[in-house]
Amino acid sequence: DVKVTQSSRYLVKRTGEKVFLECVQDMDHENMFWYRQDPGLGLRLIYFSYDVKMKEKGDIPEGYSVSREKKERFSLILESASTNQTSMYLCASTPGVYSNQPQHFGDGTRLSIL
Amino acid sequence: RKEVEQDPGPFNVPEGATVAFNCTYSNSASQSFFWYRQDCRKEPKLLMSVYSSGNEDGRFTAQLNRASQYISLLIRDSKLSDSATYLCVVTNAGKSTFGDGTTLTVKP
Repeated sequence: DVKVTQSSRYLVKRTGEKVFLECVQDMDHENMFWYRQDPGLGLRLIYFSYDVKMKEKGDIPEGYSVSREKKERFSLILESASTNQTSMYLCASTPGVYSNQPQHFGDGTRLSIL
Repeated sequence: RKEVEQDPGPFNVPEGATVAFNCTYSNSASQSFFWYRQDCRKEPKLLMSVYSSGNEDGRFTAQLNRASQYISLLIRDSKLSDSATYLCVVTNAGKSTFGDGTTLTVKP
């Protein structure tokens, strides 16, 4: 079974802080994704990566950056956290570059910015 | 117009009922289709893939109509444990687009 692990289930940070969300998958998947999910807005893609050191912007990249130094790890960075970034953040992965296989999700991180 | 549209519901049905959800998508080049289930405050989990020939998994049947660009999910003999939000997912060139979900509540 694919295991996607997110570093924190719940996180509380202050406005202006630099925030790191970590995601690790154990199935040697090439593709990794970061989403945020908000009531009434569904899942929105922030960034994704098809390979190590490679990243592509999703639909809402503003205020975020990512890092993929190793194949199994994909980090989401909030450069200067703001209250409108309070949300549920979900990491996912799939095998094979540009694969159309279903995504496997981590448990999610509920982030609150005060 | 959203790329993937679902009726948000909520659908409130009694145990044992049959319920159907529909989903439409706008990109005719879409290649793969899925239904996910998401419980409250949890991550989405794959329920089943959707094929043009239709596929069944126990009480769940999924169908794809490429010509009309819609996907359906049928749940027979609903159980209390089926209460959740069901997400329609369309994938193309490695990127997935998620519907906003349809909420189902099954009542005793």
